[in-house]
Amino acid sequence: EAGVVQSPRYKIIEKKQPVAFWCNPISGHNTLYWYRQNLGQGPELLIRYENEEAVDDSQLPKDRFSAERLKGVDSTLKIQPAELGDSAVYLCASSLVARGTYNEQFFGPGTRLTVL
Amino acid sequence: GEDVEQSLFLSVREGDSSVINCTYTDSSSTYLYWYKQEPGAGLQLLTYIFSNMDMKQDQRLTVLLNKKDKHLSLRIADTQTGDSAIYFCAEKEGAGAGSYQLTFGKGTKLSVIP
Repeated sequence: EAGVVQSPRYKIIEKKQPVAFWCNPISGHNTLYWYRQNLGQGPELLIRYENEEAVDDSQLPKDRFSAERLKGVDSTLKIQPAELGDSAVYLCASSLVARGTYNEQFFGPGTRLTVL
Repeated sequence: GEDVEQSLFLSVREGDSSVINCTYTDSSSTYLYWYKQEPGAGLQLLTYIFSNMDMKQDQRLTVLLNKKDKHLSLRIADTQTGDSAIYFCAEKEGAGAGSYQLTFGKGTKLSVIP
């Protein structure tokens, strides 16, 4: 079974440029998460989707970040414009959330963003 | 808010046991996790423990939970060079199908000396 797929794996851009990350979750997983992992830190949740609905985006900086999950499968996370402080690894995770199940989150390899 | 603390570095010799410690603050945590992150990779779930348990063993891994002190540990027996990675402790608040919020520590970098 394929895991969570993310692309690109690495991205280098200049500040003020836009950037987008793509995530394909594990087939059948209804819940998708975007995390940001700063250097030397643990992941922090940015946004969570249940199917196509963003049910928690309280940590997403909405002035420059946006996300979508059309058709409840793939998702994109966009930053426009990027700032130096956005340099981090952006992780996507997915899980099958259902009553009575454990709800383990499976993580993708991440996209390492460097803003110059 | 919730907080998860870990020591940042641990160095052990190959074949020895490794013990990685973690403390957390949220008394309503229902599940506690250990994730492993190798360089350039995402997080891989190693093991988890439910809050009503005090120990869980899975092959070379032993998890101990002291709920009174809010202390979690991961013991890796017979540590191998392939165990070198960053280990994250995480807690999940709440119970049931709707709970999902994971709070991660900063990670402990385990270095295994051949």
